Amino acid sequence: EVQLVESGGGLVQPGGSLRLSCEASGFTLSDYYMDWVRQAPGKGLEWVARSRDKTKSYSTDYAASVKGRFTISRDNSKNSLFLQMDSLKTEDSAVYYCSRGTSRDYWGQGTLVTVSS
Amino acid sequence: QSVLTQSPSASGTPGQRVTISCSGSSSNIGSHSVNWYQQVPGTAPKLLIYNNNERPSGVPDRFSGSKSGTSASLAINRLQSEDEADYYCAVWDDSLKGLFGGGTKLTVL
Repeated sequence: EVQLVESGGGLVQPGGSLRLSCEASGFTLSDYYMDWVRQAPGKGLEWVARSRDKTKSYSTDYAASVKGRFTISRDNSKNSLFLQMDSLKTEDSAVYYCSRGTSRDYWGQGTLVTVSS
Repeated sequence: QSVLTQSPSASGTPGQRVTISCSGSSSNIGSHSVNWYQQVPGTAPKLLIYNNNERPSGVPDRFSGSKSGTSASLAINRLQSEDEADYYCAVWDDSLKGLFGGGTKLTVL
């Protein structure tokens, strides 16, 4: 059974950092593109970052709103995906989801990040 | 404001057919496959349609997708009360970023 479980969310002050994790099970992470998608309270879905699969050398892309501040990475040996978030802003407050593949066929339950002083 | 345009709301009565549209451009919908997601508030999104018109296993055939040029549509036949949710279109863009529509809130009257 495919499962994605996010963790690492919490309350952080503006300018601070947070590292989100997404533990994958039921499939081999290295075989898949993986995305982070976020949803601010009461708002729609926003794509954040992509990590491609091994055939694409795990290349990455970022939304303009997070480029230079967020870093997506993975540890395939631990079947885990990460999102390092630095220089956080209040507008980064959202539920963060990890999802599998270009079609995003599986999603985690999400982890809440709140950026506030 | 989203690059992909969806109507903010739609409604229908049980048994009706409802369509939700998603408008983009040549650099996104015109060049890439469209996916659709259903999200019940408070829960994670669920894949409904991928590659413009394919249904994952377990998704009822009441749901169908189509694409023409730079627009895509999601159709829901024989509307049921449990279809009340938010619906999002999504597509990759040539600028190397992912896009979501602003979402359509479907109300079953």
